[in-house]
Amino acid sequence: SQQGEEDPQALSIQEGENATMNCSYKTSINNLQWYRQNSGRGLVHLILIRSNEREKHSGRLRVTLDTSKKSSSLLITASRAADTASYFCATDNSGAGSYQLTFGKGTKLSVIP
Amino acid sequence: DAGVTQSPTHLIKTRGQQVTLRCSPKSGHDTVSWYQQALGQGPQFIFQYYEEEERQRGNFPDRFSGHQFPNYSSELNVNALLLGDSALYLCASSGDFYGYTFGSGTRLTVV
Repeated sequence: SQQGEEDPQALSIQEGENATMNCSYKTSINNLQWYRQNSGRGLVHLILIRSNEREKHSGRLRVTLDTSKKSSSLLITASRAADTASYFCATDNSGAGSYQLTFGKGTKLSVIP
Repeated sequence: DAGVTQSPTHLIKTRGQQVTLRCSPKSGHDTVSWYQQALGQGPQFIFQYYEEEERQRGNFPDRFSGHQFPNYSSELNVNALLLGDSALYLCASSGDFYGYTFGSGTRLTVV
């Protein structure tokens, strides 16, 4: 079953604009990860944020985590056409002895040149 | 440094047949997980192998089985294929809880 839900399901923006995607989840987590997937190919790990962190940056990516609301957001600044892909959040509850990543359904981002 | 390698990249099978998918983990990784991703959905956890044993299993029937070899590579076997088994099958390797590397996947079509 899916742990979380990404919002929106699809997002279309102009190159240079910022893109924000949200993720909600249901159970307690050890960490939350964001992945990118191009055209149904493999997943590329973007960033990981631990449950005791509130914000993390990596290049043009900014991730926030609110464990009280069980939600996270991914911000991509100054988007490029190459950012066009599907983005998934995945929760990791390894602290409770679970070894799986639980993914949401993803946000499909289209960046128009 | 080679990443995760999966084979084959595409496969077409007939309903009722059996299929074997293969995965070579990233160098230095000893844990392999398998995921099924249906079209338009997020990946779903099938199982994870560590030290040649199934460490955790997701909500998949016994038709799905796996194996891990001493060199850490892994196979996913699916018996009695159903049309609903058509999906992208992803292998992920890790050396610790935080370092998952995914392969490009095997696209399985059941006709």
